[in-house]
Amino acid sequence: AQRVTQPEKLLSVFKGAPVELKCNYSYSGSPELFWYVQYSRQRLQLLLRHISRESIKGFTADLNKGETSFHLKKPFAQEEDSAMYYCALRDSGAGSYQLTFGKGTKLSVIP
Amino acid sequence: DADVTQTPRNRITKTGKRIMLECSQTKGHDRMYWYRQDPGLGLRLIYYSFDVKDINKGEISDGYSVSRQAQAKFSLSLESAIPNQTALYFCATSDRRGQPQHFGDGTRLSIL
Repeated sequence: AQRVTQPEKLLSVFKGAPVELKCNYSYSGSPELFWYVQYSRQRLQLLLRHISRESIKGFTADLNKGETSFHLKKPFAQEEDSAMYYCALRDSGAGSYQLTFGKGTKLSVIP
Repeated sequence: DADVTQTPRNRITKTGKRIMLECSQTKGHDRMYWYRQDPGLGLRLIYYSFDVKDINKGEISDGYSVSRQAQAKFSLSLESAIPNQTALYFCATSDRRGQPQHFGDGTRLSIL
């Protein structure tokens, strides 16, 4: 069965400092990985997906199959980045397309 | 704007009561999902539905049931609520590609 691990429950950084939110996964097939974000009093929303290889709000994430990781990075944190971040893996086996979420990391950017 | 709407937004009830949480969407998506969110546990899938006739159990379906009344409606029921079902419940939808999933605002359920 697939599993997503986010080792940090809480990550505090100063404004302007680099941010790295860690995500490791275990999955026997070819993974599809995503980062979702939940700002205070807002809905959970997709931030980025590995297949797009895009940068959203300054965040990037690279899939490292050798290390089974999909860490989220931003070179300079902003106060508005404070939120709950969830890494998720899609199970495409047997067409179920279920998402398995990590337990989440709360990012707090200190002014 | 096309949206995912959950009702009620908040509910407080007593142990043993039957509760229904409703989700409706105007996105025209085939797939709908119910999750619960608990502090420190993240989101866990309860049930999901690929269309009106296709309903599947998720990771934590015990104690819950669902009904897909129409493409646009997917309701979650707790037949006899218990305190450890106190949580934030999210409905989500997606098209047939499965991604991205679009979430509602959530229902905060407290069972006393």
